[in-house]
Amino acid sequence: GAVVSQHPSWVICKSGTSVKIECRSLDFQATTMFWYRQFPKQSLMLMATSNEGSKATYEQGVEKDKFLINHASLTLSTLTVTSAHPEDSSFYICSARDTGRGGLETQYFGPGTRLLVL
Amino acid sequence: AQTVTQSQPEMSVQEAETVTLSCTYDTSENNYYLFWYKQPPSRQMILVIRQEAYKQQNATENRFSVNFQKAAKSFSLKISDSQLGDTAMYFCAFMAPNTNAGKSTFGDGTTLTVKP
Repeated sequence: GAVVSQHPSWVICKSGTSVKIECRSLDFQATTMFWYRQFPKQSLMLMATSNEGSKATYEQGVEKDKFLINHASLTLSTLTVTSAHPEDSSFYICSARDTGRGGLETQYFGPGTRLLVL
Repeated sequence: AQTVTQSQPEMSVQEAETVTLSCTYDTSENNYYLFWYKQPPSRQMILVIRQEAYKQQNATENRFSVNFQKAAKSFSLKISDSQLGDTAMYFCAFMAPNTNAGKSTFGDGTTLTVKP
């Protein structure tokens, strides 16, 4: 299957600082990537859809000024948590939409980033 | 809007036995995909199996197979010869490629424990 990398895998930061998380599709081009947040033993909660070359689309209730998304190329999307607070501590997962392999649609997921805000 | 329901929050099975995880969904779309993802303790989401709605034949991947009942909007996952490494949370997901920007809708998940 396709590989999606995510960096860093975990990060600890002080309250008020900003944290950037990178998501890369390593062996296919992805015009669309997705950012999720997941709490322990719960399902994935979609935060936003990242579109290459255009603005991200945010889900209802997600602050776009707090969670900045940039899809700079067909293989890279970044999520920046600005002015992080302890309530932003969570597990963040990205996925990349693969539409090209024989016309079969699939989402491939990164390994996730554990964020702890002190 | 699409919904995905997994009615079994937790399940357990003895090693080497067979277990079936349930999933139902609701949609008015005709063109869509269904997926089962596995999330082990490492929390890496792993694609287990995929089913295209236009295909009548049930998808299989080694020990994993699905029972896709389109009219009933049911998509269950059967794991044969369960192994300890199958212990994980399993998510059923729906995606309609031509609508909703390709977003997936996930069920709440089923935590499966394989006992030795």
